[in-house]
Amino acid sequence: QEQLVESWGGVVQPGRSLRLSCAASGFTFGSYAMHWVRQAPGKGLEWVALISYDGRNKFYADSVKGRFTISRDNPQNTLDLQLNSLRAEDTAVYYCVRGWGKAAAALDVWGQGTMVTVSS
Amino acid sequence: QSALTQPPSASGSPGQSVTISCTGTSSDIGLYNYVSWYQQHPGKAPKFLIYEINERPSGVPDRFSGSKSGNTASLTVSGLLAEDEAVYYCSSYAGNNNYVFGSGTKVTVL
Repeated sequence: QEQLVESWGGVVQPGRSLRLSCAASGFTFGSYAMHWVRQAPGKGLEWVALISYDGRNKFYADSVKGRFTISRDNPQNTLDLQLNSLRAEDTAVYYCVRGWGKAAAALDVWGQGTMVTVSS
Repeated sequence: QSALTQPPSASGSPGQSVTISCTGTSSDIGLYNYVSWYQQHPGKAPKFLIYEINERPSGVPDRFSGSKSGNTASLTVSGLLAEDEAVYYCSSYAGNNNYVFGSGTKVTVL
């Protein structure tokens, strides 16, 4: 069964850092691009970042560019998101998502999400 | 990149059909056929429903169908069931490895 499990969300003060992790199982992790998508409380979905299957190419939403870094470890089947210089508006559930198909635009497997709260 | 525009709500009685629109621009929906749809129940992660405008992944009932005309994509849910009550999101590839989601539509089964 294809599965993604996020971890290491929590409460953090503005300006501080946090590192999220996502463990993949049940599929060949190194064959797929991976996304992070977030959802602020009571709000819609927002695309955050994309990493290619081999980790060589990384892309970010303008709202997080320069502050967040996506990375992956294919032998360990893990995907990470380093969140720096956190702001209140970064408060959200963060989902790890598999990208499939053309332009990796079909987000077909979702984790359960991990909550990040930025508050003093 | 602005969010795609969806109506906040839609409704229908059991057995009826409901159609949700998703309006973008000539730089996203109008340019690419990479439109997807997702269903989200309260407190749950989104579920993948439709890709490339009108393709269904295995396991998704054929009651769910998609289409596109110009800068607007649509999702139709036929034969509404109580379990279809959820929030539905569209998404589109927007070029240059950017992706945009819709604002979400809450579907109520009356």
